[in-house]
Amino acid sequence: AQSVTQPDIHITVSEGASLELRCNYSYGATPYLFWYVQSPGQGLQLLLKYFSGDTLVQGIKGFEAEFKRSQSSFNLRKPSVHWSDAAEYFCAVFSGGYNKLIFGAGTRLAVHP
Amino acid sequence: DSGVTQTPKHLITATGQRVTLRCSPRSGDLSVYWYQQSLDQGLQFLIQYYNGEERAKGNILERFSAQQFPDLHSELNLSSLELGDSALYFCASSVAEAGGTNYYEQYFGPGTRLTVT
Repeated sequence: AQSVTQPDIHITVSEGASLELRCNYSYGATPYLFWYVQSPGQGLQLLLKYFSGDTLVQGIKGFEAEFKRSQSSFNLRKPSVHWSDAAEYFCAVFSGGYNKLIFGAGTRLAVHP
Repeated sequence: DSGVTQTPKHLITATGQRVTLRCSPRSGDLSVYWYQQSLDQGLQFLIQYYNGEERAKGNILERFSAQQFPDLHSELNLSSLELGDSALYFCASSVAEAGGTNYYEQYFGPGTRLTVT
């Protein structure tokens, strides 16, 4: 079955530190992968996407993600975290057979000053 | 701002009642998706409409229904509400013209928070 796993429910980092949020997917075909961010009381904002080609994709707000087919992973990274990055982050895969996004459970990021 | 609008922002109602949530997609987007976000189930796909026609169905209860109108806005109707229906309901839209990668990109509205008491 198609699924997305985000192993870390909560992560706390210090402002200025680097960040890596993990995402593993299970999908039979070539996956179309996404990272979304949800700030408190807000909707989901698309950070970046991977469809094909270069496995390192750049997104908004200084985020990047690397697709590793051999590890079925699509981890999100940022070299230096800002306090405004505190939010919940969702990894998702597009399920073509069902025309829907399948989301992971999310990782809540807290940033210490 | 994604360009997707949803009304109302908050809705409080009693068990057994019926409510209607409204969504207007981004200009030019033909496809509308509805998702439910709850603490125990996470983000779950409910239903998709494309240019007025139902295209895909997910974990949508029989008490729930949706439609997409000629002007492409969509409504999600929830009836016989139960406490467990309390959740954040998101609408998303996409171009949904197969053949381009933007077909797969979904842009989300701010959501409607439904509280059933």
